[in-house]
Amino acid sequence: EPEVTQTPSHQVTQMGQEVILRCVPISNHLYFYWYRQILGQKVEFLVSFYNNEISEKSEIFDDQFSVERPDGSNFTLKIRSTKLEDSAMYFCASRGQGNSPLHFGNGTRLTVT
Amino acid sequence: KQEVTQIPAALSVPEGENLVLNCSFTDSAIYNLQWFRQDPGKGLTSLLLIQSSQREQTSGRLNASLDKSSGRSTLYIAASQPGDSATYLCAVRNQAGTALIFGKGTTLSVSS
Repeated sequence: EPEVTQTPSHQVTQMGQEVILRCVPISNHLYFYWYRQILGQKVEFLVSFYNNEISEKSEIFDDQFSVERPDGSNFTLKIRSTKLEDSAMYFCASRGQGNSPLHFGNGTRLTVT
Repeated sequence: KQEVTQIPAALSVPEGENLVLNCSFTDSAIYNLQWFRQDPGKGLTSLLLIQSSQREQTSGRLNASLDKSSGRSTLYIAASQPGDSATYLCAVRNQAGTALIFGKGTTLSVSS
């Protein structure tokens, strides 16, 4: 069964550094998402992306965050200058048209020191 | 603002029991509701998706119901097994928007 893949599985970075989290969504999907989960808390929506542009974003997704689909397969989340509170599990997700279910990757655990 | 609540937060049962997990949401104007399973340190696995016009969905030993007007959904697990041990998350998608809004989950432990 096709799946969403994320790399790396774990990233450690120093405060103030830039990080790029990478995702390969399911190949025929059209809608792409980033979510995050701080340890012990709810899964939170960050941003959705469709037709090469952001379709929706949460208040968490401020100017420090950006997304890109640089080619036909990859979908990236960049955090420009990481803060301690950015430490979380970041999940990429994708879905097809209409009312289809959302499929998640296994996540990237980001640790900011 | 949509809020999703899941009760109980944790549940321990012996193998073979049937059980019900509860999810409630504050705004009934939803597009769909999705149940997920999350194993420790892993991603989310989609279990069932119920569209707003549907009352229930079934997959194997799982049955999810939706009562949109009262803002409730239940996930019924029949004949529970130790392999069912995981955190179960409920998430709703509002009619306006594409984001899923998650509850905090119910952590299920099934003992053999």
